[in-house]
Amino acid sequence: AQSVTQLGSHVSVSEGALVLLRCNYSSSVPPYLFWYVQYPNQGLQLLLKYTSAATLVKGINGFEAEFKKSETSFHLTKPSAHMSDAAEYFCAVSNYNFGNEKLTFGTGTRLTIIP
Amino acid sequence: DTGVSQDPRHKITKRGQNVTFRCDPISEHNRLYWYRQTLGQGPEFLTYFQNEAQLEKSRLLSDRFSAERPKGSFSTLEIQRTEQGDSAMYLCASSLERVIHTDTQYFGPGTRLTVL
Repeated sequence: AQSVTQLGSHVSVSEGALVLLRCNYSSSVPPYLFWYVQYPNQGLQLLLKYTSAATLVKGINGFEAEFKKSETSFHLTKPSAHMSDAAEYFCAVSNYNFGNEKLTFGTGTRLTIIP
Repeated sequence: DTGVSQDPRHKITKRGQNVTFRCDPISEHNRLYWYRQTLGQGPEFLTYFQNEAQLEKSRLLSDRFSAERPKGSFSTLEIQRTEQGDSAMYLCASSLERVIHTDTQYFGPGTRLTVL
């Protein structure tokens, strides 16, 4: 079984400040890890994914995440927050399972940017 | 690449009625997934298709739910005898099978169902 825990359902940061969204995973086999962003009344957009090629993963819109096996973590960061970053962020895990790579999501973190 | 589309975007129905949602995946994608997202939660897996074959169904998918993907193209999700607990956002995602590395699932905008 696999699972994801996102610490902090709501995070507020000032515009220009560091963004840090936390994600810890549980998986019995080497995982694939993802961060998705969801804007109001929209579907999910992939920010970045970890597939074991490199532990530091760079994504779109200046986001990056680091895979730390010893800590079972995959935290999302951005050096300088922008107003347009305000959205809901979901961490997800999947395992190769005979073709079904269904995603198991965390409960999400709502990011608010303070002007 | 026109992305994943879903229709309708919103559906309001009365309890006990049947509803059907449609998902059109990205054209060359052979994998298609359905997820359900309730308020304040992350999406939860419902079912998965590889081409036209439905290969896995979640225990969340009661016998009132049925999904099809005829000819391996678009997919439909039908809910019979809707209940208020079915109110949620229904998300469709598609991906292209890759031999090396995991595939990337691209999500549609979702269909928001409200059962009165």
